Amino acid sequence: ETGVTQSPTHLIKTRGQQVTLRCSSQSGHNTVSWYQQALGQGPQFIFQYYREEENGRGNFPPRFSGLQFPNYSSELNVNALELDDSALYLCASRMTSAANTGELFFGEGSRLTVL
Amino acid sequence: KNEVEQSPQNLTAQEGEFITINCSYSVGISALHWLQQHPGGGIVSLFMLSSGKKKHGRLIATINIQEKHSSLHITASHPRDSAVYICAVKRYTDKLIFGTGTRLQVFP
Repeated sequence: ETGVTQSPTHLIKTRGQQVTLRCSSQSGHNTVSWYQQALGQGPQFIFQYYREEENGRGNFPPRFSGLQFPNYSSELNVNALELDDSALYLCASRMTSAANTGELFFGEGSRLTVL
Repeated sequence: KNEVEQSPQNLTAQEGEFITINCSYSVGISALHWLQQHPGGGIVSLFMLSSGKKKHGRLIATINIQEKHSSLHITASHPRDSAVYICAVKRYTDKLIFGTGTRLQVFP
């Protein structure tokens, strides 16, 4: 039990649609990052949010966007879905302070299938 | 060449065996994570290391910063240890660079 909850666990969309994936972190976790894991591959960094601002991004197009909320929840939005977007999407959160980088906690992931 | 390399890619063992998984990286890092991923997909963080050695139960992780190498050891392996073990290095922010993973199967 990591205290990080993702929803939905599984979903199916068609090409061109939009999807919103959600992540609920532990209280106090002010940093959240999102990863895409294609089948048989290692996770790839999408972006990170710290105190509701994006502060790092991987090689993903602008149709991948996110939000982080004051209640320690966050969203990953993907517009204009493509077949290659089919993957497991993982969020990970931690508490960041000037004195400390806390342990990273992962959610169980949301498995997206694009048809 | 990947920035993070793991070996072996696949590993089978009999229950009770001592297991070692290796990770080498080619970039400067601030920390290294060992992660466990079960078939359902969820990832559990086992260790975060920046130097030396850490132990948790039957798991031991070591890192040699000069040699850019880390090892994960499992003592007295058990079938419930069967999973994919992933090494990931942290460069800046939370951008982790992941290895390809080592698939471990422990048979009774």
